[in-house]
Amino acid sequence: QQQVKQSPQSLIVQKGGISIINCAYENTAFDYFPWYQQFPGKGPALLIAIRPDVSEKKEGRFTISFNKSAKQFSLHIMDSQPGDSATYFCAASWAGGYQKVTFGIGTKLQVIP
Amino acid sequence: DAGVTQSPTHLIKTRGQQVTLRCSPKSGHDTVSWYQQALGQGPQFIFQYYEEEERQRGNFPDRFSGHQFPNYSSELNVNALLLGDSALYLCASSLTGLGHIQYFGAGTRLSVL
Repeated sequence: QQQVKQSPQSLIVQKGGISIINCAYENTAFDYFPWYQQFPGKGPALLIAIRPDVSEKKEGRFTISFNKSAKQFSLHIMDSQPGDSATYFCAASWAGGYQKVTFGIGTKLQVIP
Repeated sequence: DAGVTQSPTHLIKTRGQQVTLRCSPKSGHDTVSWYQQALGQGPQFIFQYYEEEERQRGNFPDRFSGHQFPNYSSELNVNALLLGDSALYLCASSLTGLGHIQYFGAGTRLSVL
């Protein structure tokens, strides 16, 4: 049972381009949507997160767009750099208390020079 | 400020054996969650500990058990290992009331032969 569906599973983008990763969720009770970045041999690191009362959040070159009615959200990486090459996971959770994080399958991003 | 630390880094076991993995949370954090990440997949929630008690559990059999110590560190135990238990085991820590904001360690890579 995949509560968070993520696509594409792999993505190749040229340096300077825009990387776009999409996610859809099923459980409308989720109210916290983080994105994690994972490099080989490392654990996932929290990159950026959004609550459903906001339609967009931007931090540097990273932007989350959120569509509550469609139950979809996406990560945009502007001016993609080779150092951005990593696996990105979208996730969903409930804010506060004792909460597990439900992850998507991941997107392996490769930024080529 | 030390982040989440896990030991050992790598482990090789044979089917039927038992294994114990260890985790020290980020300084100041009191809640520890464990995840299993199979190759090419997103992390899957195993269970979460707070105040030395299991607070939530994912869809994992009783062969997976855990413990939290008074200093908030935690252990994950897996009995009767199966080939399918081969994965990266991740520990994440969080602060009371902010359980949705989780910081991950680098993980323990378990190989079951």
